[in-house]
Amino acid sequence: DAGVIQSPRHEVTEMGQEVTLRCKLISGHNSLFWYRQTMMRGLELLIYFNNNVPIDDSGMPEDRFSAKMPNASFSTLKIQPSEPRDSAVYFCASSPGGGSYEQYFGPGTRLTVT
Amino acid sequence: GENVEQHPSTLSVQEGDSAVIKCTYSDSASNYFPWYKQELGKRPQLIIDIRSNVGEKKDQRIAVTLNKTAKHFSLHITETQPEDSAVYFCAAKNSGNTPLVFGKGTRLSVIA
Repeated sequence: DAGVIQSPRHEVTEMGQEVTLRCKLISGHNSLFWYRQTMMRGLELLIYFNNNVPIDDSGMPEDRFSAKMPNASFSTLKIQPSEPRDSAVYFCASSPGGGSYEQYFGPGTRLTVT
Repeated sequence: GENVEQHPSTLSVQEGDSAVIKCTYSDSASNYFPWYKQELGKRPQLIIDIRSNVGEKKDQRIAVTLNKTAKHFSLHITETQPEDSAVYFCAAKNSGNTPLVFGKGTRLSVIA
């Protein structure tokens, strides 16, 4: 099993540009979580999905952020337009759901907005 | 909602000594308590977890204890090694359609 896959691993972009981060869940998992990690704010939950349905997006910082799950195994997190304060490591994580609560993180995308 | 407090925020131990990290939670309905280890520049990795029907669980040099009455749980690392140096996160969740709630992390340094 390849685990949770994220792409790109590193992204450097200029302020105002659109950024799209991608995540592929572990096969068979049905819960998907997007996190942002910075030194100042630590690990923050942005949004999570169960069975492709967004359950709670209260952690999404602004309307510039949006997330989708077009199918059961894939998700995108989009920032448009990006700002320097969006610079962080973005992790997605997946969980089997049902009575299994284990959550596994992807390798993360390090985003730098200049 | 759930609130998880973790302490200490930093911990330094001599190689070979034990390290203990403690967490408290607020929601009595929480029944799943994982611990994650995050090395510098890497992802958080699940190292051990415990459910509320168990008071203690051990895996080689790491163990987790749970006190449901007091609503706290702890991570114990024995015979620490330099490769144990990392940030450790505790978390809690209940059986509902809710996510893990993480503590703020403990930076453990094992000094050789």
